[in-house]
Amino acid sequence: GQSLEQPSEVTAVEGAIVQINCTYQTSGFYGLSWYQQHDGGAPTFLSYNALDGLEETGRFSSFLSRSDSYGYLLLQELQMKDSASYFCAVCLPSSNSGYALNFGKGTSLLVTP
Amino acid sequence: DAGITQSPRYKITETGRQVTLMCHQTWSHSYMFWYRQDLGHGLRLIYYSAAADITDKGEVPDGYVVSRSKTENFPLTLESATRSQTSVYFCASSELQGITGELFFGEGSRLTVL
Repeated sequence: GQSLEQPSEVTAVEGAIVQINCTYQTSGFYGLSWYQQHDGGAPTFLSYNALDGLEETGRFSSFLSRSDSYGYLLLQELQMKDSASYFCAVCLPSSNSGYALNFGKGTSLLVTP
Repeated sequence: DAGITQSPRYKITETGRQVTLMCHQTWSHSYMFWYRQDLGHGLRLIYYSAAADITDKGEVPDGYVVSRSKTENFPLTLESATRSQTSVYFCASSELQGITGELFFGEGSRLTVL
């Protein structure tokens, strides 16, 4: 089996930088994804790390270290609209159906003025 | 309209009834997925499919049935609904060419079982 651990809640100030960690207990996965979900909305894709290291997409960056079983999402220059839930997800191979994503329980980020 | 659509968006039913949640995508994506989302549990995978007529069980498949006779449709059926199946259900799709970790989600179907 596999499990992903994320902090349940994080609070940060507008304009600051926040890091959301994700630790996992799995092996043989293709990569680690991050998703954002606003209240009442659908999850939307943010980033994917197939290899170790940092991936940068605008204000958001994501990092993966397979040797440490650890990844994180870094949000810079926080804005009020970044208040949302953030999920990490491992992309796992499947013998019959190619692959599937298993999600963590999510981190609720609150950005305050 | 292009995209992935779910219907119904809201459904109230009674214990023991059969319910089918529909999912339709217009991108011709090969992969399709069904997740349920409950407070404290995040997104849990119910079933997924790599192509028409190929389906696989996910983490929580019990009580659910899927079919995929056409690439664009992936209905989820609760054969005899239970209160524990009250949840928000999300359908998602993804392209087969290369593993990018990116799923495209529908807006969700909010199901209440009384």
